[in-house]
Amino acid sequence: EADIYQTPRYLVIGTGKKITLECSQTMGHDKMYWYQQDPGMELHLIHYSYGVNSTEKGDLSSESTVSRIRTEHFPLTLESARPSHTSQYLCASSERGGPRNTQYFGPGTRLTVL
Amino acid sequence: GESVGLHLPTLSVQEGDNSIINCAYSNSASDYFIWYKQESGKGPQFIIDIRSNMDKRQGQRVTVLLNKTVKHLSLQIAATQPGDSAVYFCAENISGGSNYKLTFGKGTLLTVNP
Repeated sequence: EADIYQTPRYLVIGTGKKITLECSQTMGHDKMYWYQQDPGMELHLIHYSYGVNSTEKGDLSSESTVSRIRTEHFPLTLESARPSHTSQYLCASSERGGPRNTQYFGPGTRLTVL
Repeated sequence: GESVGLHLPTLSVQEGDNSIINCAYSNSASDYFIWYKQESGKGPQFIIDIRSNMDKRQGQRVTVLLNKTVKHLSLQIAATQPGDSAVYFCAENISGGSNYKLTFGKGTLLTVNP
């Protein structure tokens, strides 16, 4: 069982608010990822990080930003939330090196923007 | 671009039957594959993986088969139980180098009828 945590689990906010979704892992993994997933749909990579002070945009364009100041922490921020940001956000991590790139996921944050 | 897709979006089986979930991939350079299970309201959970130097790998009640000739992956679940009801995703990766991203398929919803 992976030790990766996301808070909050559910968030309902109004348009224009600034929000930060938290993601932490206690496994010492150097690689971390953020995915966006609509109900019943596939996962879309929006951000990833291969280590401290390293962040990259993913395959799906997103208005969110991320930071990686500590190995265990990879928060995602929306400066001004809009209804189009309503979705589930999943955080994942994977370990350094090795032949396998198994990603372990957190429980997700379901965001609703009114 | 390269993609991973699933043949069947939904699968309904009777409790106790065996289930087979299929996945097609298009990137012949992919050499590592993972199956994830995602229950409603939760993040994807690792089930089993396989590297391209293998044709078959077995876990507890699950078996993954890889056919590199036709670029096809399947997940077999023996004696399916109601707790197996979930969405199942396949994912692929090209191990080695600096690419640690996974490409996910669209997902298959498995429903187990009692």
